[in-house]
Amino acid sequence: GQNIDQPTEMTATEGAIVQINCTYQTSGFNGLFWYQQHAGEAPTFLSYNVLDGLEEKGRFSSFLSRSKGYSYLLLKELQMKDSASYLCAVRSSNSGNTPLVFGKGTRLSVIA
Amino acid sequence: DGGITQSPKYLFRKEGQNVTLSCEQNLNHDAMYWYRQDPGQGLRLIYYSQIVNDFQKGDIAEGYSVSREKKESFPLTVTSAQKNPTAFYLCASRPPTGALTTGELFFGEGSRLTVL
Repeated sequence: GQNIDQPTEMTATEGAIVQINCTYQTSGFNGLFWYQQHAGEAPTFLSYNVLDGLEEKGRFSSFLSRSKGYSYLLLKELQMKDSASYLCAVRSSNSGNTPLVFGKGTRLSVIA
Repeated sequence: DGGITQSPKYLFRKEGQNVTLSCEQNLNHDAMYWYRQDPGQGLRLIYYSQIVNDFQKGDIAEGYSVSREKKESFPLTVTSAQKNPTAFYLCASRPPTGALTTGELFFGEGSRLTVL
């Protein structure tokens, strides 16, 4: 079976740093994605990891450890507009068209 | 501009009625997907299509049907057989994977269906 776990909710302060964890157990692995979704809107792509290590993109970074089935999304210098749900998704096979399997999402609230 | 267009954005339906959600893309993508999202839940796959005239069931296909007669279009019909159709429906497409692409999904704005 396929299983992706992430915390349901997190709260952090404006200007701080927050780390959102994701663990996965899938039949195969060919990439992990992070998406941001504001309430009532479509998800937007944030980052992609297929090899172990850290990928940095501005205030957002994503880390992957394939041996541990673990990833995290790091958000720095938090802003109020970062309040959203963050979805972790895995492609479980080497076929490029394999659909992504999504976790339930982590709802992040940024407070002043 | 290139993108994915879903319509309608909001839809109300009486129990026992079928309803069709439209999804059109001008990104020239072969693969298209339909996901369902319920409050506090992640995205669950309903159907997907890798090429014209071909589609596969996802994890929760019961009570839904699709067609893929054109590359640009992948409509989803929610039938009366779907027990709990009230949800947010998201259509997505994906460019071909390759050395320079991650193969991430591009999403439409979503359609919110409410059954009265």
